[in-house]
Amino acid sequence: GAGVSQSPRYKVAKRGQDVALRCDPISGHVSLFWYQQALGQGPEFLTYFQNEAQLDKSGLPSDRFFAERPEGSVSTLKIQRTQQEDSAVYLCASSLTGDQPQHFGDGTRLSIL
Amino acid sequence: EDQVTQSPEALRLQEGESSSLNCSYTVSGLRGLFWYRQDPGKGPEFLFTLYSAGEEKEKERLKATLTKKESFLHITAPKPEDSATYLCAVLGSGGSNYKLTFGKGTLLTVNP
Repeated sequence: GAGVSQSPRYKVAKRGQDVALRCDPISGHVSLFWYQQALGQGPEFLTYFQNEAQLDKSGLPSDRFFAERPEGSVSTLKIQRTQQEDSAVYLCASSLTGDQPQHFGDGTRLSIL
Repeated sequence: EDQVTQSPEALRLQEGESSSLNCSYTVSGLRGLFWYRQDPGKGPEFLFTLYSAGEEKEKERLKATLTKKESFLHITAPKPEDSATYLCAVLGSGGSNYKLTFGKGTLLTVNP
């Protein structure tokens, strides 16, 4: 497809487990973003990549959160030692450049038991 | 710090009843204001970008306008399929000139 693809769509994990969320951006999009969306709230910025370089990770809630985009295409958001407060929808977005409209995937709904 | 406030939080309309959603913003140097539509269980879908005060964009029953302090999303003769959460976001020219700051959204319900 031509859009941003995220997997898995749903993830249930026990507290303390590690999880990995995947994002396939639109082909050719240089910029890639991760957002966290709580129920009834707007998305909140987590981190930003320009190609393979992570230019901003100021929104990551703790050092348990780690993101990478090693070849400048697919990105993975990893959460170590998950906590209940990590439960949320994690959205990935991509854009041609940093200030162009961002196009979002349908997100991964993460539930920590 | 960029801030976005959307009102109302929720809006119920009858089919055909026109109305407007508000997005008030505070930003250091607006580089763009974005409107998105989000359906349940889906990611935000891009609708419009506005760059400067006085600018207007239209798409079907939706029209977005921009002033120096706020943006409006006007919905003319809405249909039930327009029911969704509408999100507003700003891109500022401060330190993070690529990070979108979102409001909480307006949940629009259009009854047949």
